[in-house]
Amino acid sequence: RKEVEQDPGPFNVPEGATVAFNCTYSNSASQSFFWYRQDCRKEPKLLMSVYSSGNEDGRFTAQLNRASQYISLLIRDSKLSDSATYLCAVTDLDSSYKLIFGSGTRLLVRP
Amino acid sequence: EAGVAQSPRYKIIEKRQSVAFWCNPISGHATLYWYQQILGQGPKLLIQFQNNGVVDDSQLPKDRFSAERLKGVDSTLKIQPAKLEDSAVYLCASTLVGRGAFFGQGTRLTVV
Repeated sequence: RKEVEQDPGPFNVPEGATVAFNCTYSNSASQSFFWYRQDCRKEPKLLMSVYSSGNEDGRFTAQLNRASQYISLLIRDSKLSDSATYLCAVTDLDSSYKLIFGSGTRLLVRP
Repeated sequence: EAGVAQSPRYKIIEKRQSVAFWCNPISGHATLYWYQQILGQGPKLLIQFQNNGVVDDSQLPKDRFSAERLKGVDSTLKIQPAKLEDSAVYLCASTLVGRGAFFGQGTRLTVV
């Protein structure tokens, strides 16, 4: 089983739609969780950290469910510019904060 | 604040040749990662440094890949000899312990 798993998509949604991605992790000792955005042929960029209480940044909301070992990213009012691959990443204290990525979920927002 | 610097941006080599990549992390970031990203996949961790010590290199093909981080700042990743399947983007990232990492622009390697 992979340490971090994501649905590869693509998720094809119209502008203005709400879309949600999930990411599951296998190590229950995982400590820190992140969402990254990666545009085609670019490096991953940190989008947001995911806290136990959840966090929101504008149209983006991230949630953590420790019991079921997954994190989620919700994008409201999708824009064309949101089209990208969204990567989740997880670290755990057991392995000195080794940062492991999922394979990414591709989002296409159409006009 | 300057970001993570990597060079070169692109490299084309023949199989069995050697290549080296350089990374300068964000100032003050003790943790440095090297990742390999093949098209369509997520970044795969090759090696993690904490200051100038190796924390994890379990996924590094040690028969051909090596990395060092002298003085706990800059780092180099070397491949010798390269294989066709090493064609990928090599990403360097740095962070404060336990925080989200910041990436350099990467080096796109093509082995022919």
